[in-house]
Amino acid sequence: DVQLVESGGGLVQPGGSLRLSCAASGFSVSSNYMSWIRQAPGKGLQWVSLIYSGGTTYYSDSVKGRFTISRDDSKNTLYLQMNSLKAEDTALYYCAKGRAVRSWGQGTLVTVSS
Amino acid sequence: DIPMTQFPSTLSASVGDRVTITCRANQGIGRWLAWYQQRPGKAPKLLIYDASTLETGVPSRFSGSGSGAEFTLTIDSLQSDDFATYYCQQYNALSTFGQGTRVEVK
Repeated sequence: DVQLVESGGGLVQPGGSLRLSCAASGFSVSSNYMSWIRQAPGKGLQWVSLIYSGGTTYYSDSVKGRFTISRDDSKNTLYLQMNSLKAEDTALYYCAKGRAVRSWGQGTLVTVSS
Repeated sequence: DIPMTQFPSTLSASVGDRVTITCRANQGIGRWLAWYQQRPGKAPKLLIYDASTLETGVPSRFSGSGSGAEFTLTIDSLQSDDFATYYCQQYNALSTFGQGTRVEVK
């Protein structure tokens, strides 16, 4: 069974950093298209970043230059390093497998506030 | 970035109604479009992918159509479980979601 478990969220001050993790089981992160998708409280879904199986990465304009997606194949884990955080980055962050996403994690909440 | 315009933003309906939600891309995306249902406090659930392919386990009252730049999600005979928020997503060029349609009780 495919399972995705996010962690690493929390309260951080504006300008701070966090690293989110997504531990995967039931499949290989390195062989799949993986992405991060976020949802601000009471708002819609927003695609954040993706990594192809070959390692190429892409970012939404709103996070480009501040966020970095990566993976550790030995740990079968996806990461999102978030720097220079802003209030508007406050959201529930989901890890997702595939282009049309069948498998979602439960999300990890990031709150950016002073 | 391919903006997706989804409408209506809210739809009031009754059990048994047929409802239609539309999603429009500002350029052609082929058939690279998915539809999701999200209930409060839950992760989204994939309903339809590749514009019209029903995900395994999803009831047949859900259907998708369209290609190019305009797409629709239709729910035939709305059930009480179907009151939720629905999103479209293009995955032709990176990914973008529509703004969502909340289906509420009339």
